[in-house]
Amino acid sequence: SQQGEEDPQALSIQEGENATMNCSYKTSINNLQWYRQNSGRGLVHLILIRSNEREKHSGRLRVTLDTSKKSSSLLITASRAADTASYFCATNNAGNNRKLIWGLGTSLAVNP
Amino acid sequence: NAGVTQTPKFQVLKTGQSMTLQCAQDMNHNSMYWYRQDPGMGLRLIYYSASEGTTDKGEVPNGYNVSRLNKREFSLRLESAAPSQTSVYFCASSVGDAAYNSPLHFGNGTRLTVT
Repeated sequence: SQQGEEDPQALSIQEGENATMNCSYKTSINNLQWYRQNSGRGLVHLILIRSNEREKHSGRLRVTLDTSKKSSSLLITASRAADTASYFCATNNAGNNRKLIWGLGTSLAVNP
Repeated sequence: NAGVTQTPKFQVLKTGQSMTLQCAQDMNHNSMYWYRQDPGMGLRLIYYSASEGTTDKGEVPNGYNVSRLNKREFSLRLESAAPSQTSVYFCASSVGDAAYNSPLHFGNGTRLTVT
């Protein structure tokens, strides 16, 4: 089945640095969502960006969407140790809005 | 406001045993979902319920049954557990009608091992 693909699979940075994760997908979408998952916990919604939007911000998070390249990026600025988690993108496909396609995630480690 | 609550948190079953995973949400959401998460496979939808009284199959429904007991509760039943069902199970809910135009709210999961 189609899947969003996050890149990189794993990322290790120092506190205070910025972290950028990318998500690519294969078909036209209604929206794209980013979620965070801390170890041993459920997923937490971060941002939903619709197909007619190009950029959204939430606190230290910035998400961009390029529908021509079928890709999105999640930027976390001034990272903290508490940002250590896995980050997943999920796409709601335009052809079948009753299906959410999940990526395999980027594992982010922020070192103190 | 607890959000989405799943019980139990951990469970070990022997092959062939049955069990029911419980999920309840207190956000008055219409839609509820059951996912499983396996290493290298990502999240896969087992069943969902777009509204009270309706349930539909997801990507991997075989070996599972669900009940939308009322608007708050959505249970997942394994009738005869198999080792392939060893996984982490997540329940989620959303305010919409399963068209994924609104965020999903997840519980903290049930870690199931089938020996």
